[in-house]
Amino acid sequence: GDSVTQMEGPVTLSEEAFLTINCTYTATGYPSLFWYVQYPGEGLQLLLKATKADDKGSNKGFEATYRKETTSFHLEKGSVQVSDSAVYFCALSASGNYGQNFVFGPGTRLSVLP
Amino acid sequence: NAGVTQTPKFQVLKTGQSMTLQCAQDMNHNSMYWYRQDPGMGLRLIYYSASEGTTDKGEVPNGYNVSRLNKREFSLRLESAAPSQTSVYFCATSRKEFDTEAFFGQGTRLTVV
Repeated sequence: GDSVTQMEGPVTLSEEAFLTINCTYTATGYPSLFWYVQYPGEGLQLLLKATKADDKGSNKGFEATYRKETTSFHLEKGSVQVSDSAVYFCALSASGNYGQNFVFGPGTRLSVLP
Repeated sequence: NAGVTQTPKFQVLKTGQSMTLQCAQDMNHNSMYWYRQDPGMGLRLIYYSASEGTTDKGEVPNGYNVSRLNKREFSLRLESAAPSQTSVYFCATSRKEFDTEAFFGQGTRLTVV
């Protein structure tokens, strides 16, 4: 079945450091890809998305490019802030056993220190 | 705009008790979902409803039932709670098209003792 793998955390960075969180996926067909962010005590919020190969999603300084050849969707940010501290989930959307469904990775906790 | 509203936000149950988690959306979306979130496991789908009147089992349906009362509301029921059902539960909605994102409620933190 479809699955998402992302790097285990926690990831701890200093403010203004460069961030990469790796995400790879397995899917039959051509899924849409998403990054969600979860702040403490809150639900998941969409950070960015890409719906076809070579698309780049971007938002709030975060970027990720849909790489079909490597089945990857790595999240990057050039200069992180303390306010970026959160849990980040990579996800895909595909039609499968459960109809149109979203499959999530385990999440990566990011802590940014001042 | 409320978006996706879940009630309650917190709940403590004793083993064997029952309860219903409520979810309501004002986004006019067809699809609604219930997920549970456990540490290190991401979100796992419990049940799914593609439209009013239809529900389907997800990855981890055992111990749960659902009702799609109308287009707006999708409830999750635990008939006889077990400690293994201690988790954070999220309701989500989306349009039918596969390239659209899911919108999440704020979650219900459930502890079964």
